[in-house]
Amino acid sequence: DAGITQSPRYKITETGRQVTLMCHQTWSHSYMFWYRQDLGHGLRLIYYSAAADITDKGEVPDGYVVSRSKTENFPLTLESATRSQTSVYFCASRAGPNTGELFFGEGSRLTVL
Amino acid sequence: RKEVEQDPGPFNVPEGATVAFNCTYSNSASQSFFWYRQDCRKEPKLLMSVYSSGNEDGRFTAQLNRASQYISLLIRDSKLSDSATYLCVVNRQTGANNLFFGTGTRLTVIP
Repeated sequence: DAGITQSPRYKITETGRQVTLMCHQTWSHSYMFWYRQDLGHGLRLIYYSAAADITDKGEVPDGYVVSRSKTENFPLTLESATRSQTSVYFCASRAGPNTGELFFGEGSRLTVL
Repeated sequence: RKEVEQDPGPFNVPEGATVAFNCTYSNSASQSFFWYRQDCRKEPKLLMSVYSSGNEDGRFTAQLNRASQYISLLIRDSKLSDSATYLCVVNRQTGANNLFFGTGTRLTVIP
């Protein structure tokens, strides 16, 4: 099915390890986003991308790296995972800057021990 | 001050009740508004857009008050399946990063 998919859906890792969360969309949407969702904070934007090879920081970018070599993929890497990065991560996409609907992936639940 | 503020709830209402959520936004340049629904352990999904004149979709009514900078969502005849978290979302018309989410209001409909 077309859509936006994330992998892995669940991941347990240890402090200091590198982790990459994958995001793939089949709509050729220009805009892609990574959010984290934590109790009490709601959705917080980590990084976003307006097109291939264009990325920018969101509200909470520290400790994360992104790339966008192809329009359909937007991986998020935690270079050295910390316990505070335990969270649910959502990737999302939208067709344009002013289109209201944001399409979310099913989320990646990350636990850092 | 947060861009978008919502009462986190929880709202616990009996089946058949009418319940309303409000959301306030701080930036008067905000142009478009939405309600998203998020089920437990699932991703958010668009519930409805909010138009200036107000709009209805079945049991759901959304309204916008630009002067007071708030939007509302009214759910009539609540069903058990309406139990979810409702996220208020505001869109400014400038920049790629122009969507702002509230923290959500949790609704539980009780049998």
